[in-house]
Amino acid sequence: EAGVAQSPRYKIIEKRQSVAFWCNPISGHATLYWYQQILGQGPKLLIQFQNNGVVDDSQLPKDRFSAERLKGVDSTLKIQPAKLEDSAVYLCASSLNEGQEYGYTFGSGTRLTVV
Amino acid sequence: DQQVKQNSPSLSVQEGRISILNCDYTNSMFDYFLWYKKYPAEGPTFLISISSIKDKNEDGRFTVFLNKSAKHLSLHIVPSQPGDSAVYFCAASDSGGSNYKLTFGKGTLLTVNP
Repeated sequence: EAGVAQSPRYKIIEKRQSVAFWCNPISGHATLYWYQQILGQGPKLLIQFQNNGVVDDSQLPKDRFSAERLKGVDSTLKIQPAKLEDSAVYLCASSLNEGQEYGYTFGSGTRLTVV
Repeated sequence: DQQVKQNSPSLSVQEGRISILNCDYTNSMFDYFLWYKKYPAEGPTFLISISSIKDKNEDGRFTVFLNKSAKHLSLHIVPSQPGDSAVYFCAASDSGGSNYKLTFGKGTLLTVNP
């Protein structure tokens, strides 16, 4: 079974620029999550999709962050404009939603550095 | 407000000994708990979980203990191996929310010395 694919792996941008991350979840996984992990912190949920609908985006800074999941498969997360404090690893995860016993499957993440 | 706390940023143990990683939570609505392991430059990988209806769950060398009254859980690794060296995250969810949102602790870096 292929895992959760994310790209790019690394990105360096200047503040006020825009950036986009892509995620392809495990085939058949209805639920997709974007997490932000700042250095020294645990992952924090930004947004959760169930198929192509948003379930929870309460912690997404909507003035600069946006996300979409077209056709309930791939997803993109965008930051515009970026700030220095957005430097973090952005993790995508997916799950079957058949129960919590096995948790999510995470991708390897995109490390964003804003300079 | 940190709802899941891992108060030890790091832990160092000798190969073959027991590693005990601790986690505390404050939200009494949490009823499912998970441990994830993370190697550098990789995403977290699921390790073991426990429901609040249990107080122990075991999988090979890994055992998770849950003390609901103390809002405390721990992960025991016996025997510890050098390959276990990684950051371990404790996570919790409220199944009543039905969206399996996980709240993570800050992680504990485990180093197993040969």
